[in-house]
Amino acid sequence: GQQVMQIPQYQHVQEGEDFTTYCNSSTTLSNIQWYKQRPGGHPVFLIQLVKSGEVKKQKRLTFQFGEAKKNSSLHITATQTTDVGTYFCAGNLRRTSYDKVIFGPGTSLSVIP
Amino acid sequence: DGGITQSPKYLFRKEGQNVTLSCEQNLNHDAMYWYRQDPGQGLRLIYYSQIVNDFQKGDIAEGYSVSREKKESFPLTVTSAQKNPTAFYLCASSLLPGLGTDTQYFGPGTRLTVL
Repeated sequence: GQQVMQIPQYQHVQEGEDFTTYCNSSTTLSNIQWYKQRPGGHPVFLIQLVKSGEVKKQKRLTFQFGEAKKNSSLHITATQTTDVGTYFCAGNLRRTSYDKVIFGPGTSLSVIP
Repeated sequence: DGGITQSPKYLFRKEGQNVTLSCEQNLNHDAMYWYRQDPGQGLRLIYYSQIVNDFQKGDIAEGYSVSREKKESFPLTVTSAQKNPTAFYLCASSLLPGLGTDTQYFGPGTRLTVL
């Protein structure tokens, strides 16, 4: 079945350093979304990418969707302690009306002040 | 104030008892989902529903049951057949796939502990 993988599983960075998490799908995706879950909280939607090669920015966060629509990345510039949490990517094949979003296992980010 | 609510936030039950977790949304979303999250793990889909009175099994449906009698409500029952029920349960809702976005809106979750 469809799988969505993420690397790394964990990342510890010094505050001010950059951070990148990568998301890879075994099949071509219709779209990809990114969510952030703070410790003890619930996942919150960050962004959706739809077009091949699409790049979107949200302040210090840069999201990319690969040309083949099988991979994506989230890059955070100059991390802050408020960036701590787990970042999930989620993709959908959209082959049928019952196709659903598949979540990756997440990357847990720790920021050392 | 629109959103998705889950109750209770914390729930304790004795082994062998069934327990029902509540999920309500007023976002007028057709699709609703139940996920299970274990410590340090990702989200695993239990059940999902795209229309009233219809639902589909996810990846780990065994030991769980759901109903969708109303568009706004999607309760999850954790039965005594579920071998390891202690977990964080998250409910989510979204527009139907194909309507331009797959964004899922999550409730605050219910932490179930079975003693």
